[in-house]
Amino acid sequence: QVQLQQSGPGLVKPSQTLSLTCAISGDSVSSNIASWNWIRQSPSRGLEWLGRTFYISKWYNDYAVSVKSRITINPDTSRNQFSLQLNSVTPEDTAVYYCARELARGVDVWGQGTTVTVSS
Amino acid sequence: DVVMTQSPLSLPVTLGQPASISCRSSQSLVYSDGNIYLNWFQQRPGQSPRRLIYKVSNRDSGAPDRFSGSGSGTDFTLKISRVEAEDVGIYYCMQGTDWPPTFGGGTKVEIK
Repeated sequence: QVQLQQSGPGLVKPSQTLSLTCAISGDSVSSNIASWNWIRQSPSRGLEWLGRTFYISKWYNDYAVSVKSRITINPDTSRNQFSLQLNSVTPEDTAVYYCARELARGVDVWGQGTTVTVSS
Repeated sequence: DVVMTQSPLSLPVTLGQPASISCRSSQSLVYSDGNIYLNWFQQRPGQSPRRLIYKVSNRDSGAPDRFSGSGSGTDFTLKISRVEAEDVGIYYCMQGTDWPPTFGGGTKVEIK
């Protein structure tokens, strides 16, 4: 069965970069039928899709308009994982961050979640 | 973006009784292939969301058969035939028809 294991720091200072990694087991980041997503959840914004990476003959990325200027999602085929980088964070970026697999327009597997607090 | 509106916000239910959650989308969720990509998730306290239903009415493997989904166009419903204690949590709908995917605000199910 597919599992996603997240890692990364839970505390980030304002203006710095939030970095998280999601290791995949039971599937491949290079799958041509799945996409690999980051979603966050906060009391003020609810569940918010941030972006995805996927492979169909070449790599593609899609990002939410709200974070497009600050976000990068990268696949790592050698380690079968993908990462999230969110630059110039503010306290409004404080949230639980989830990685997730999207298959056939549905999110069917979620990581365990990482609580990230932006504070000095 | 497609706006997903759920009701009610909070749903106190008696054990063994049915429960129903509504989800409405701001535009039709019928995709060009004829499918409707409407999903339902359960999030228990302290856990990640878990999908129960995909494409309106298809139960995921492991989802109890007391959960059922229905609907069409812009109006969708999740029903629990007989609520059990383990069903306490927040339920979300999510549409995957239009990009980006968007979620409803959630319905909190609690036991009376």
